[in-house]
Amino acid sequence: GEDVEQSLFLSVREGDSSVINCTYTDSSSTYLYWYKQEPGAGLQLLTYIFSNMDMKQDQRLTVLLNKKDKHLSLRIADTQTGDSAIYFCAGRSGGSYIPTFGRGTSLIVHP
Amino acid sequence: DTAVSQTPKYLVTQMGNDKSIKCEQNLGHDTMYWYKQDSKKFLKIMFSYNNKELIINETVPNRFSPKSPDKAHLNLHINSLELGDSAVYFCASSQGTSNSPLHFGNGTRLTVT
Repeated sequence: GEDVEQSLFLSVREGDSSVINCTYTDSSSTYLYWYKQEPGAGLQLLTYIFSNMDMKQDQRLTVLLNKKDKHLSLRIADTQTGDSAIYFCAGRSGGSYIPTFGRGTSLIVHP
Repeated sequence: DTAVSQTPKYLVTQMGNDKSIKCEQNLGHDTMYWYKQDSKKFLKIMFSYNNKELIINETVPNRFSPKSPDKAHLNLHINSLELGDSAVYFCASSQGTSNSPLHFGNGTRLTVT
């Protein structure tokens, strides 16, 4: 099955860019997702990318996919304190319709 | 509002009790899921239903019994609660079983004392 790995913590200054990284193991992964979890809340879908794309941009969010290295990243431009949350990477391979989630990266934004 | 809604939001109970968590989605999705999130935020799939039929049943104790009366509902009943059942339980839904992303409820925090 799919394994998804993320670093656990990232601390940035308000206004800087944040880059959250994720690696996955299943090269047949067709869809890769980024979710955001604020304290006490559920997971909110931020964006997703198909495996036939290298990049996707949505306002302050940029997703980069390196299929050769099985590496996915989420860049948040002009990071704000409201971006402080846990960010989960998830992959869905062709062989399983259950997405596998990474352990989440806690993003801390300080003034 | 279109959403996945779970009740209750908080559940505090004693060991040995039986409890239920309800989930409803009005997104018109045909697939629903239960995930367990532990204290380290790790998300583990428990069950998945597609069109009211059980599709996935991970290695979950049979004290946990999901029930799907229709496509819009997936309830979770837990018998003989144990301390290790304390966690946040998330319901989610998606359209189909291949590409569509999951939409999550806000979770039920279960505390067993």
